Amino acid sequence: DARVTQTPRHKVTEMGQEVTMRCQPILGHNTVFWYRQTMMQGLELLAYFRNRAPLDDSGMPKDRFSAEMPDATLATLKIQPSEPRDSAVYFCASGLGQASGNTIYFGEGSWLTVV
Amino acid sequence: AQTVTQSQPEMSVQEAETVTLSCTYDTSESDYYLFWYKQPPSRQMILVIRQEAYKQQNATENRFSVNFQKAAKSFSLKISDSQLGDAAMYFCAYRSRTYNTDKLIFGTGTRLQVFP
Repeated sequence: DARVTQTPRHKVTEMGQEVTMRCQPILGHNTVFWYRQTMMQGLELLAYFRNRAPLDDSGMPKDRFSAEMPDATLATLKIQPSEPRDSAVYFCASGLGQASGNTIYFGEGSWLTVV
Repeated sequence: AQTVTQSQPEMSVQEAETVTLSCTYDTSESDYYLFWYKQPPSRQMILVIRQEAYKQQNATENRFSVNFQKAAKSFSLKISDSQLGDAAMYFCAYRSRTYNTDKLIFGTGTRLQVFP
């Protein structure tokens, strides 16, 4: 059963600490997305990649956030330093390029609490 | 830029009844995809149904169907024979078919309550 795998599922950290979230997209999917969900802002796109190249990270605070795809099976989202306002659920999602018109599938999310 | 609007923050329905969730979107494109995702309390995002804009026929998936009105830019979700397990947040989403701008754009969601 193919699925997007995210780690950690839950993370509580202190303000100022570095947080790294990892995502394993579905095998064969060439498009990877990072979304953040908060009560106030809803679902926001932070970054997305196609064939490991970043396409759009305009929604990501560049001073503290970074997103990478070291290889086709791993995407990372790093926050350094973390702040209480970063508390949210972070979703990774993957899909095939638009030419296939395929659905985007979501991981279960990483629940981050920064205290 | 494309936008998606869900004007109903909350809806409720009696078990076994039918409910319709509204979604409108704004785009200048002619070819795109529309989706409804369900998010239960577990926060998992689950695909409910998808519609391809070039198809006139409305998509259906068991008890879930859509009313896609392309000219009106409307994409409502109808849930028939509602079940307690349908209680969740429902998000409407738009995906462009234009290369390299095919991210999912979400509405703000509608919380559906189902009463026994």
